[in-house]
This record gives sequence, structure tokens and C-alpha cells, in this order.
Amino acid sequence: GENVEQHPSTLSVQEGDSAVIKCTYSDSASNYFPWYKQELGKRPQLIIDIRSNVGEKKDQRIAVTLNKTAKHFSLHITETQPEDSAVYFCAASIQGGDDKIIFGKGTRLHILP
Amino acid sequence: EPEVTQTPSHQVTQMGQEVILRCVPISNHLYFYWYRQILGQKVEFLVSFYNNEISEKSEIFDDQFSVERPDGSNFTLKIRSTKLEDSAMYFCASRTGGGPPGNTIYFGEGSWLTVV
Repeated sequence: GENVEQHPSTLSVQEGDSAVIKCTYSDSASNYFPWYKQELGKRPQLIIDIRSNVGEKKDQRIAVTLNKTAKHFSLHITETQPEDSAVYFCAASIQGGDDKIIFGKGTRLHILP
Repeated sequence: EPEVTQTPSHQVTQMGQEVILRCVPISNHLYFYWYRQILGQKVEFLVSFYNNEISEKSEIFDDQFSVERPDGSNFTLKIRSTKLEDSAMYFCASRTGGGPPGNTIYFGEGSWLTVV
């Protein structure tokens, strides 16, 4: 089955700087890659997603890139703000069928004042 | 905006007791899921459910677990005889189905289960 690896497990960046979180996946059939943000004690919230027919997608300060050949995908947050502090999970899914998503282990992002 | 709702938000149970966690998926959604998150760890897939039957389950979802959609609106997860290691946040999730954006999975707020 699918296995998603995520790095780093913890990331501290100065407010205003950029943060990058990287993931790899194992199943070449995976074609949908959502990113979730989870605040303490809350549910995972979808923040952005990318499908395999697209190499990059941007939404304001957040962007995702996908390299299908290398089976890598990344989340980029620019101009980080205190409210960006949370745990971020990458995930992978195969569209068609039940589309369950398999999560990475998460990255705890700390935005330093 | 429609949401997936879960009850209870928190339950404490004695080891060996049965627990039922309840979920009301978003009304026009067709695919339903249960995920588990042990404190400080990643969100783990338990089971997916479509057309009134389990479509896939993980290794975690052993004979102690069962799911049911008894009345067309509720989607329940039952743990027959709880163990200490079942202590976790349990998330229900759902999606509409079909192509994008039907792939987007929406999560409930979670049910925190503590087994003592």
C-alpha cells in the first residue's frame, strides 16, 4: 500500500521567512495530494491540494509543487505569520475507488517572533 | 457551510467496555471514513465505507472494530472490547464522490476516546 514520508518533523522559522515541508510517496498510482493543517485538538483542515496533471499550484502565501518522476511533493509557505504555527500533514490518494488518503507523519511548524 | 458532526466529543471508558462513536456525514456525501490519531502521531486510516458496505480497511481495523450506517444519516464506529491502546482521537470523514472536487475529504471535529 501507499507510504508517505514527510520531513522535517519539526520546523522553526522566523516570522516573515519562508517554510518548506517535503514529502515523498511510494505508490506511483497516487494522483491526488492534499495538504492539511491541524491546530492543537482540532480536526485536520484542507489548505491546498494538487493533482498529478499539475506541477505547481499557488494560493496566496501557500504553494505546492509536485515531481511525479521523483515522487516528491512540497509545501511552501511564504511570509510566515504567527497563525501559521500548527502541524502540517501531507497526504496521498489514488482517485477512483474509495479514494482514502494516506497521511505523512506531520511537521510541527513554529513561527518565531 | 455543511460540516461532518461527531458525538461524543470526549469519552472515558473502562478497558474491556464497548464504545460507539457516532458521526453524521455531510448530507449529499456518499463515501465515509474513520481515521484515528494517537496523541502526537499521524492520522491513520481505519476504514472506508460506500454503498452500505466496507470498501477497504487497514490492519488496525481488526475484529474488535465494526462500522454501520443504520439509518441513512448516522455512521457509527463500534469498538467491542476497548484496550488501553485504543485511546486516541477518532475522526469521521466524508466526501461526495466522483471527480474533482468530489475527492475532497472533509473531517469532523473528532471524538477523543480515553480508555482507563
